[in-house]
Amino acid sequence: KQEVTQIPAALSVPEGENLVLNCSFTDSAIYNLQWFRQDPGKGLTSLLLIQSSQREQTSGRLNASLDKSSGRSTLYIAASQPGDSATYLCAVRNGGSQGNLIFGKGTKLSVKP
Amino acid sequence: EAQVTQNPRYLITVTGKKLTVTCSQNMNHEYMSWYRQDPGLGLRQIYYSMNVEVTDKGDVPEGYKVSRKEKRNFPLILESPSPNQTSLYFCASALGFGVEQYFGPGTRLTVT
Repeated sequence: KQEVTQIPAALSVPEGENLVLNCSFTDSAIYNLQWFRQDPGKGLTSLLLIQSSQREQTSGRLNASLDKSSGRSTLYIAASQPGDSATYLCAVRNGGSQGNLIFGKGTKLSVKP
Repeated sequence: EAQVTQNPRYLITVTGKKLTVTCSQNMNHEYMSWYRQDPGLGLRQIYYSMNVEVTDKGDVPEGYKVSRKEKRNFPLILESPSPNQTSLYFCASALGFGVEQYFGPGTRLTVT
């Protein structure tokens, strides 16, 4: 059964730092992996989606990498800002395109001014 | 504006009183899904729908019903709510299976 783990559970950094959030999954036969951001009282916002055949995706200050064989993904945030404070969720889609989305429990990021 | 809307946003009810949480999307998406989020358990899928009149169970379907009579709407029905269904519920939609999902703002349900 696919399990998705995110470490650390919480992270606090000063503004301006570059940081990396980690996501690992137990079954490497994934279809794709998606990173989300969740703000209190709001829904999830999709940040990046990486297909299983891709190694990385970039959007602005965000870069997500995928190493399917080792069951790992990282989300790199450059020059962090207080507005980046949120919970970041990683989710993998199992097997073929019809697999379920399996979520990690998230990393709560706090960026201090 | 492209969005997924849920109503109500907050609901407190009593055990056994039937309730419906509505979900609507304006993006002409074929795929819609319901999740629940609980502390320590993360997000888990309840039901999903590939298109009108096509629904299937997710990981935690017990105690829930759904229907998809129109493409834009995917209501979640709790026929006889119980306290263990107290949770934060999210609706999501996507163009199809396996592509980027867009989430609604969530419905916080408390069953006493």
